Amino acid sequence: NAGVMQNPRHLVRRRGQEARLRCSPMKGHSHVYWYRQLPEEGLKFMVYLQKENIIDESGMPKERFSAEFPKEGPSILRIQQVVRGDSAAYFCASSPPGLAGVAEQFFGPGTRLTVL
Amino acid sequence: ILNVEQSPQSLHVQEGDSTNFTCSFPSSNFYALHWYRWETAKSPEALFVMTLNGDEKKKGRISATLNTKEGYSYLYIKGSQPEDSATYLCAFRTNTGNQFYFGTGTSLTVIP
Repeated sequence: NAGVMQNPRHLVRRRGQEARLRCSPMKGHSHVYWYRQLPEEGLKFMVYLQKENIIDESGMPKERFSAEFPKEGPSILRIQQVVRGDSAAYFCASSPPGLAGVAEQFFGPGTRLTVL
Repeated sequence: ILNVEQSPQSLHVQEGDSTNFTCSFPSSNFYALHWYRWETAKSPEALFVMTLNGDEKKKGRISATLNTKEGYSYLYIKGSQPEDSATYLCAFRTNTGNQFYFGTGTSLTVIP
């Protein structure tokens, strides 16, 4: 059973470009969380999704950021018109169906985004 | 924004020593507390999910306790080994939302 996969592992973008980060949850998992780790800071919650639904996006910046988790395929975190301050490590985690919050989360290896 | 604090920030111990560290969180609206172990160049790995006041969980030489009324959890490592060297994170969730609030972690180095 493969773990949580994220790609790309490293992404370099110039200011103003778009960044698309992908997360394939573990088989059988229907909950996905996205977190951001800014340099010298801890993990910060961004968004929580279930298949085809955004459950909680309270941690996501209001502009330029969006997330989806379609019925088929990976979850996507999309950052439009990237700025230098978006440079960070982005982690996703998945958990199995059931009571959200009490299930273990399994983390992917992260995508390191660098904005030039 | 809720505050989750971990102490100490870093810790160096000799192989064989036992150690413990603390995660402090708001005592109101508690729902769950998660502990993770994060080795350098790897992903955070779940250790424990704790939900009930007085919970005590154990996995090998690592154990954790939970006090929701006063808002803290302890993580204990008995007989530390070099392979225990990692950052230990806690994450708190309230019963009023889906957001997890992470502490900044305790970095443990076990010296052989």
